[in-house]
Amino acid sequence: DAKTTQPTSMDCAEGRAANLPCNHSTISGNEYVYWYRQIHSQGPQYIIHGLKNNETNEMASLIITEDRKSSTLILPHATLRDTAVYYCIVRVAGGGFKTIFGAGTRLFVKA
Amino acid sequence: GAVVSQHPSWVICKSGTSVKIECRSLDFQATTMFWYRQFPKQSLMLMATSNEGSKATYEQGVEKDKFLINHASLTLSTLTVTSAHPEDSSFYICSAKDVVAGGLGPGELFFGEGSRLTVL
Repeated sequence: DAKTTQPTSMDCAEGRAANLPCNHSTISGNEYVYWYRQIHSQGPQYIIHGLKNNETNEMASLIITEDRKSSTLILPHATLRDTAVYYCIVRVAGGGFKTIFGAGTRLFVKA
Repeated sequence: GAVVSQHPSWVICKSGTSVKIECRSLDFQATTMFWYRQFPKQSLMLMATSNEGSKATYEQGVEKDKFLINHASLTLSTLTVTSAHPEDSSFYICSAKDVVAGGLGPGELFFGEGSRLTVL
């Protein structure tokens, strides 16, 4: 699976949009971009995934660049409960589903 | 939604003892489960892939005789930390793949809430 690069940490004001970038310049054509988050002392939680089109669900939006070498996770109205470590992962869909986690971005949402 | 449950949530044991952690898929069948460990302020590190009815596949550097994995049924995988030492203290997390859901689907991989092991 391709490696990803994310900023170590980010701050966001409560109620504002949080934009978390991810670089995956070596992504293959059959690899999807997945985002998970981990709140302190809990297991990871799935957020969203995409291949090349932008995606939106009740939690977030995912913007993938046309060349697919980077993406941005957008939390439209961050709350204090969104404080967590966010992991960007690229992985072939289906198959073994072996998931390798990078360092992630620690997002601090401040009041 | 699908749930993966781990037990115990936390455990404290003496050095030299063995500890078993269970990972159960509560409402789906999982032919494959994954075990991770996580040290404070670090990312999750994949330890092994647990396959129902066959031997687990361990990642490089993970001692298979130290971390025994058994996946005897489609809903249960266990991780046994044998002869635990203080350096084995960590947060252990499992994830499970839904055998029924096919193709692309985020719901096919679910994570447990984690088990915190402290070895004294």
